[in-house]
Amino acid sequence: DIQMTQSPSSVSASVGDRVTITCRASQGIASWLAWYQHKPGKAPKLLIFAASSLESGVPSRFSGSGSGTEFTLTISSLQPEDFATYYCQQGNSYPYTFGQGTKLEIK
Amino acid sequence: QVQLQLWGAGLLKPSETLSLTCAVSGGSFSGHYWTWIRQSPGRGLEWIGEINHSGSSNYNPSLKSRLTISLDTTKNQFSLNLSSVTAADTAVYFCARRFFHSCFGPWGQGTLVTVSS
Repeated sequence: DIQMTQSPSSVSASVGDRVTITCRASQGIASWLAWYQHKPGKAPKLLIFAASSLESGVPSRFSGSGSGTEFTLTISSLQPEDFATYYCQQGNSYPYTFGQGTKLEIK
Repeated sequence: QVQLQLWGAGLLKPSETLSLTCAVSGGSFSGHYWTWIRQSPGRGLEWIGEINHSGSSNYNPSLKSRLTISLDTTKNQFSLNLSSVTAADTAVYFCARRFFHSCFGPWGQGTLVTVSS
């Protein structure tokens, strides 16, 4: 299985801050990488697919980059509704696997 | 807009079979893979398996021996059956659509399944 490792595991930030989350794959996955936002008690929400494509309806302050084994999710200016847990996921090969999550907390 | 709603038993005893069903509305059932994913404190998010409208399925090898995913195209529903459950199968279970570039969206709301004697 392809292991996905996110860093940091948690981060504290303030409204208006720029935040970057990193996801590393244990082997190359080209651009088969997605990012999700998850809030407690709700369904995870797709933010980014194909490493850098913004899902319809997702604010442009979210962006993704990377290919191969290293990827980043950047939130350019944090809004109050962005405090949540973020996960990466590889879609390169079965079984599909997720990172362990990065919890974004209010400072 | 595609919506997914799932239901099933929330409390099971060890060795019983977990059964969940997910109904798809508001969009096409064909042309996609329909997926089960679970989340537990110990395992994080775990892809369980998927099925498409023609019945072609793919399973996580770690669960394959206990797992059956089926579908009812007349009702736009797909189902998960996981046999011989243990406490390790306690998790929130989600259904989702897999689409372009093997990502998942939208997701159903999730349901907690607890395995306890």
